[in-house]
Amino acid sequence: SQTIHQWPATLVQPVGSPLSLECTVEGTSNPNLYWYRQAAGRGLQLLFYSVGIGQISSEVPQNLSASRPQDRQFILSSKKLLLSDSGFYLCAWSYSGNTIYFGEGSWLTVV
Amino acid sequence: AQRVTQPEKLLSVFKGAPVELKCNYSYSGSPELFWYVQYSRQRLQLLLRHISRESIKGFTADLNKGETSFHLKKPFAQEEDSAMYYCALRVAPLIKAAGNKLTFGGGTRVLVKP
Repeated sequence: SQTIHQWPATLVQPVGSPLSLECTVEGTSNPNLYWYRQAAGRGLQLLFYSVGIGQISSEVPQNLSASRPQDRQFILSSKKLLLSDSGFYLCAWSYSGNTIYFGEGSWLTVV
Repeated sequence: AQRVTQPEKLLSVFKGAPVELKCNYSYSGSPELFWYVQYSRQRLQLLLRHISRESIKGFTADLNKGETSFHLKKPFAQEEDSAMYYCALRVAPLIKAAGNKLTFGGGTRVLVKP
């Protein structure tokens, strides 16, 4: 069966520090991968999606970037975090498009 | 661009009472609509989709294209229904290369009181 994992689950980082959130999917190949963010008081916002290795689409301009170095690995990064980057980050995957499956989420607090 | 609106951030009902979560969307084509739910300390998961026309955990949702709505309803709320609910839209047809992205509403927190 397919599984999705993301880590770390919780992260407290100072302003200006770098960020790396990782997500891996198991049990499938060539999935679509997604990064969503849930900021305080707001809904889920799609940040990036990828339909294949090295293919990244950005939905909103921001301080973050994403990479897909391997088929089932999706990384969310920042060189210098801002306070506004705080939030709950969700990785997700789909294949045939029928259902999107979400990871456990990562809480990021920028202080 | 498509947009999903959930006007209520919080719904508080008593156990056994009906509950209705509102969802309105804007999209010029034919969308697919979904409801996702996140229970405490659990992952966000699919509750139901309009194309299935099914009832899950007593919940139903009907797509009303005239009113561009996809409200979620349950006639008798249970305490275990307390959760965060998100309405979501996906542009049809499904084309993997296009991303098959979901656009979410702001979410509604449901609290069912005993």
